[in-house]
Amino acid sequence: DAGITQSPRYKITETGRQVTLMCHQTWSHSYMFWYRQDLGHGLRLIYYSAAADITDKGEVPDGYVVSRSKTENFPLTLESATRSQTSVYFCASSESTGTRNQPQHFGDGTRLSIL
Amino acid sequence: SQQGEEDPQALSIQEGENATMNCSYKTSINNLQWYRQNSGRGLVHLILIRSNEREKHSGRLRVTLDTSKKSSSLLITASRAADTASYFCATDARSGGGADGLTFGKGTHLIIQP
Repeated sequence: DAGITQSPRYKITETGRQVTLMCHQTWSHSYMFWYRQDLGHGLRLIYYSAAADITDKGEVPDGYVVSRSKTENFPLTLESATRSQTSVYFCASSESTGTRNQPQHFGDGTRLSIL
Repeated sequence: SQQGEEDPQALSIQEGENATMNCSYKTSINNLQWYRQNSGRGLVHLILIRSNEREKHSGRLRVTLDTSKKSSSLLITASRAADTASYFCATDARSGGGADGLTFGKGTHLIIQP
């Protein structure tokens, strides 16, 4: 039971490049989330998805694009990376949103450095 | 802006002692969750307490919730070296762009000295 996996674990790229972070879950959870974690800010929600083909913005969506063509995958793309997007990115999934009292399950993160 | 704020930011205690962390939040919630994060790893769910609950236990963990004060506490009893980690509270209250998902505090870094 792999759970939720993120790839790559580490990525270094340059400003202006396009970068895609992958997230795959094996539970068939309907909800998936992308967070970024920065010192001094904790975790902040970038985008989330309630089901395949349904996505919505979180607190800090600018500069990011997501898609959800299959329930198990939720890739996050930085279309033109900037240094301010250097961060650790976490993907999570849950059976429902927090309002329905369900915990979220997190991957181990992708550490992204933009030079 | 952050919904939850943990206190203290860092805590160092001796193995076997109890560790208490606090969380304050700003708006009404349906539930509050606590997560643990070991260095270099993702967050792991510890416990969820609903807004109509005042206290909940899970093994060595005890969580309290005071909705009138908009605060919660996490108590870890008989701490072990393996409890060394960062602990985050998270609420389901909407913030920022009004999205679903959780709103996390900045965390308490707990160090258990052997």
